[in-house]
Amino acid sequence: GAVVSQHPSRVICKSGTSVKIECRSLDFQATTMFWYRQFPKQSLMLMATSNEGSKATYEQGVEKDKFLINHASLTLSTLTVTSAHPEDSSFYICSAHEREHSPLHFGNGTRLTVT
Amino acid sequence: GDSVTQMEGPVTLSEEAFLTINCTYTATGYPSLFWYVQYPGEGLQLLLKATKADDKGSNKGFEATYRKETTSFHLEKGSVQVSDSAVYFCALSERAGGTSYGKLTFGQGTILTVHP
Repeated sequence: GAVVSQHPSRVICKSGTSVKIECRSLDFQATTMFWYRQFPKQSLMLMATSNEGSKATYEQGVEKDKFLINHASLTLSTLTVTSAHPEDSSFYICSAHEREHSPLHFGNGTRLTVT
Repeated sequence: GDSVTQMEGPVTLSEEAFLTINCTYTATGYPSLFWYVQYPGEGLQLLLKATKADDKGSNKGFEATYRKETTSFHLEKGSVQVSDSAVYFCALSERAGGTSYGKLTFGQGTILTVHP
């Protein structure tokens, strides 16, 4: 079945550095991918919708200059956390679907720890 | 705005016990409702869904009925197995039967542990 691969699964970085997280659809093309963030013991919150070939759509309260999203191909979206700070430590998870109305497929998530 | 509230976990059951995980929602429109499951070390998977009132979603022995009058979508299974141990997320999408299920609002998740 359709699979979404997310890399890395865990990353530890120092405060002030940038971290890139990749989300790939392995056996289907996804014009749209979604990035979620989950704090401990809290819901997954949609951060942004990544659109292939165009600008991402960010949810209210999400800093677009801090969380850079690039969706350069039909199978790859990247989320870059720029100038990371400890409060950015969280679990980031991406999802994609082959077309509207089809089920979402989720990546395994990335645990980001900023020291 | 939209929100989803799940019963707090963790939930610990013995094998073959009956499972209920409560989920209620608030939404401005007429949402579609979902249950997702996350097994250890894996991504979220769609377990079941319902797109209109009184619809019953079912899969792998799990069931949930869309109750508009009580704004609920409780997950049930008659006899759980050890392999059902996972985190369960209730979610809604405002665009009922509509354009995209990508913008999901999730509950906080409920950890289920089933012992032999």
